[in-house]
This record gives sequence, C-alpha cells and structure tokens, in this order.
Amino acid sequence: ETGVTQSPTHLIKTRGQQVTLRCSSQSGHNTVSWYQQALGQGPQFIFQYYREEENGRGNFPPRFSGLQFPNYSSELNVNALELDDSALYLCASRVQGVREAFFGQGTRLTVV
Amino acid sequence: AQSVTQPDIHITVSEGASLELRCNYSYGATPYLFWYVQSPGQGLQLLLKYFSGDTLVQGIKGFEAEFKRSQSSFNLRKPSVHWSDAAEYFCAVPYKDMRFGAGTRLTVKP
Repeated sequence: ETGVTQSPTHLIKTRGQQVTLRCSSQSGHNTVSWYQQALGQGPQFIFQYYREEENGRGNFPPRFSGLQFPNYSSELNVNALELDDSALYLCASRVQGVREAFFGQGTRLTVV
Repeated sequence: AQSVTQPDIHITVSEGASLELRCNYSYGATPYLFWYVQSPGQGLQLLLKYFSGDTLVQGIKGFEAEFKRSQSSFNLRKPSVHWSDAAEYFCAVPYKDMRFGAGTRLTVKP
C-alpha cells in the first residue's frame, strides 16, 4: 500500500511568482486536504477536495487554489507569492466519511 | 466549534522517564480525537486515535492516551521515553477539516 506522497520536497521561489505543489493520495483514498504549517505552529487547513471539487475551505485568500484529478491526486497552486507563504505544506488523504487522515511528508516552500 | 488546546508549548524529560502530554477538547458530543507526531522537517504520523468505547487507547511506539469526558481531556502518555521520541506532538479533532492544537515540543535529555 502506497502512502501519501508529495512533490517536490523543497523549493525556493521569489516573491510574486507562482508555485504548484503536488500530492498523490494513499491508495483507495478519495478525499484530499491541504494544510499550511508555518514554523513553530500547528497545521492550518487550506481546503479539501472530493470528487474533483472543492468541498471545504479555510481562511485563505483566493490566490490559493487547487485541483483534484480523477485518480484522486491533487495540486495546490499559489499565485503572487508573498514572504509569509513560506511554510511547510502538508497534504492529507482519507476516505470520504472516515475521519482518519494520513499525511504526506510535506513540501517546504521558501519565498525570498 | 470543535477545537483542541495543548497547554504545554515545550516539555523536557529525561530518557527513561515517564511522559504525559496534555490535550483538552471543546466538543458538544463524543469527539473523535487523534494524536500525531512530527519529527523535524517531516510530515505528521498518526500515533493513535479515539472514536468511542474503551477510554484507554493504545498506539504505536508504546504510546497510549486516555479519554476523560469529565475533564474534556485526551492526554498522551508513555511510561519510558526514548531519545528518538523527541519531536513535536499534535492533538487533533476532525471537524470539516482536521483541527490541530498548537503542538507540544518534546525534548529528551540523555
């Protein structure tokens, strides 16, 4: 059974640029959520996808957007990067209706 | 709204000593509760979960947690800490998303 995998593991971007992060959900999981974890803080919910549609969103601006594909993998896109977007971005997958979520190793984004 | 609070930001224990990390929840009904562990720069690994039934739940790596409705708590325990347990620990409750506490950083002294 393959767990949740995220790519890339690290990346550095310049303020104002755009970035795409990728997540492959665990086998059999149809729901994917994204979280932002700033240094020294707990993860904050960005949004969730189920059946290729966003079905929940946290307190993040529209420049944070996402996609889910038919194979349940997902992308997180962030436009107009700001310095405060520097964080660890975590993807979690689960089966819709089941509360238990499994997390990937995260993508460390640094905005300079 | 459902939430969890971790009162301790940082705890230091000696290797071999016992450990208890505190978590308090705010929830109207019987909650689902989770503990996750995060090593530096890594993702979150599920340690254990409580859904219902037996209030003492066993997890991986020798951890256990006890659900106490009267105290609205779900504290994580380990009888003997190993140096490899040094990490950040998060209590969480699922709502529409997973809501995390602020975390407790565990340092293990040799």
